Amino acid sequence: EVQLVESGGGLVQPGKSLKLSCAASGFTFSGSALHWVRQTPGKGLEWLGHIRNKANNHTTGYLASVKGRFTISRDDSERKAFLQMDRLKAEDTAIYYCTLGWFDHWGQGILVTVSS
Amino acid sequence: DVVMTQSPLSLPVTLGQPASFSCRSSQSLVYSDGNTHLNWFQQRPGQSPRRLIYKVSNRDSGVPDRFSGSGSGTDFTLKISRVEAEDVGVYYCMQGLQTPLTFGGGTRVEIK
Repeated sequence: EVQLVESGGGLVQPGKSLKLSCAASGFTFSGSALHWVRQTPGKGLEWLGHIRNKANNHTTGYLASVKGRFTISRDDSERKAFLQMDRLKAEDTAIYYCTLGWFDHWGQGILVTVSS
Repeated sequence: DVVMTQSPLSLPVTLGQPASFSCRSSQSLVYSDGNTHLNWFQQRPGQSPRRLIYKVSNRDSGVPDRFSGSGSGTDFTLKISRVEAEDVGVYYCMQGLQTPLTFGGGTRVEIK
């Protein structure tokens, strides 16, 4: 069974950093691309970026508004993907999901709250 | 960026009756290989989104056949032939043609 489990969320102050993890099981992780998507009541579902598989050199792509602040990485040996979020703002408050390359499987989501 | 527009915002439906909702993209979603990269997702209350339909009309494994997707180019439709109570939630379309990948604002299905 495919499983994606996000962790690392919580309350963080504006301007600080947070790193989310996505632990995967039940599929060939190294062969899969992964995406990060967030959801807010105001903006709905928002794609943040992706990381391709090793065959595609682990290339990344980002939403313009988070490029330079957010970094996606992966560790195929640990079967994990990561979302490093720097210089966080109040508007980054959302539920963050990792999803498989074709959006056919999603994690349960993790809440990030940016507030002083 | 490709803008995805869904309508209606909310759809009250009667159990056992059909429901239909629309998704329009600001540009054609047809890729150079001929595939059209339009997905539909269902998000039940308190749950993560779940993909129902990919490439316009292909149902995912386990998705009841009362769900069907259709459309082409820039206009797409998701239909539920007979709404059941478990269909309550928000339905989103998403284009997978080009980055940034973008979602529609969703249609909320509720029971009358």
